[in-house]
Amino acid sequence: GESVGLHLPTLSVQEGDNSIINCAYSNSASDYFIWYKQESGKGPQFIIDIRSNMDKRQGQRVTVLLNKTVKHLSLQIAATQPGDSAVYFCAENIQAGTALIFGKGTTLSVSS
Amino acid sequence: DAGITQSPRHKVTETGTPVTLRCHQTENHRYMYWYRQDPGHGLRLIHYSYGVKDTDKGEVSDGYSVSRSKTEDFLLTLESATSSQTSVYFCAISEQGPGNQPQHFGDGTRLSIL
Repeated sequence: GESVGLHLPTLSVQEGDNSIINCAYSNSASDYFIWYKQESGKGPQFIIDIRSNMDKRQGQRVTVLLNKTVKHLSLQIAATQPGDSAVYFCAENIQAGTALIFGKGTTLSVSS
Repeated sequence: DAGITQSPRHKVTETGTPVTLRCHQTENHRYMYWYRQDPGHGLRLIHYSYGVKDTDKGEVSDGYSVSRSKTEDFLLTLESATSSQTSVYFCAISEQGPGNQPQHFGDGTRLSIL
């Protein structure tokens, strides 16, 4: 079946570095994408979303890039902080779909 | 934080017993969802609701039923729990459908079936 996946299960960075978390998707009909952050013992927390008619969107310290040509999504976190340590998921919605499809997640570890 | 409360937060029960998990929201959102999260599988949709008494199946609905008798409550029932249903269960809500808005999640129920 088609699913959203992430390139790396873990990513370790130093405090203050920029982090880039990647996600590949396989369905060209996907038109809405979301990044979530999940801390231990908590539910996923919405970070940022992007629609397929955009290729970049910025939030506070985060940027999402969408490359529809190669079906790739990335989350960039500027000046990574220890509080950014968590599991990050991407999710997609296929056009007119009734559900989000989630990737398996990348664990970001930030050392100070 | 979105006003979502899941109860209980933790439960241990035995195979064959019925289990009901509750999701309560204070946002008056139309859509509500139940997911399970397992290592190696990510989040998978069990059932969802698009209004009072309007529900539909998700990817992994076998062995589960749901009910929504009022906007704020969405119940997930395991009629006869099995060990394969040991998981962390998350409820999510959204004002519009999944292609239009992000879903917001509760903090989950950790369910162990022995």
